[in-house]
Amino acid sequence: GAVVSQHPSRVICKSGTSVKIECRSLDFQATTMFWYRQFPKQSLMLMATSNEGSKATYEQGVEKDKFLINHASLTLSTLTVTSAHPEDSSFYICSASTGGAGYGYTFGSGTRLTVV
Amino acid sequence: RKEVEQDPGPFNVPEGATVAFNCTYSNSASQSFFWYRQDCRKEPKLLMSVYSSGNEDGRFTAQLNRASQYISLLIRDSKLSDSATYLCVVNAPGNTPLVFGKGTRLSVIA
Repeated sequence: GAVVSQHPSRVICKSGTSVKIECRSLDFQATTMFWYRQFPKQSLMLMATSNEGSKATYEQGVEKDKFLINHASLTLSTLTVTSAHPEDSSFYICSASTGGAGYGYTFGSGTRLTVV
Repeated sequence: RKEVEQDPGPFNVPEGATVAFNCTYSNSASQSFFWYRQDCRKEPKLLMSVYSSGNEDGRFTAQLNRASQYISLLIRDSKLSDSATYLCVVNAPGNTPLVFGKGTRLSVIA
């Protein structure tokens, strides 16, 4: 089946540094990538939607200058958390859609970010 | 009002018990419905889709009532391995993101 490789799976960084998270579709073309984050005991909350070759659409309350999304190819999308702060510590997860019939969604394995 | 609301849980049940989870959604345009399972610190995994006619997969039965905008999941003969958080998920038509409920935690106890 469809596989999305997400890495790193876990990262600890210092406050003020930037962290890049990659999601790569291994055997299909991801027309659309959805980026979610999940705080402890909370639901997955959509951060942004990116379509290949277009600017990402951010949800209300998500700073586009802080969470940079690049979806330059049909197999790779990246999320960069810039100038990370402890409150950005969360579980970040991508979900790829082929945009085709059935709109199957495939999740990456998630990245646990801890900002110290 | 949240788009997808679920029983708060947690549900602590003995092995072999039957447990039911409920969920309501607010967007009447929602077209696809799912139950996902999420283990601690892992990505959510699709458990089953939910259809108006109701569907069953082994010990799991899902029901959808579009008029009431209500979804349910029934787990029969609970196993220890069923312990997880169960997420109610809805999707509007088109290439739109999945919308997740907060999840209901299930602990099956020996």
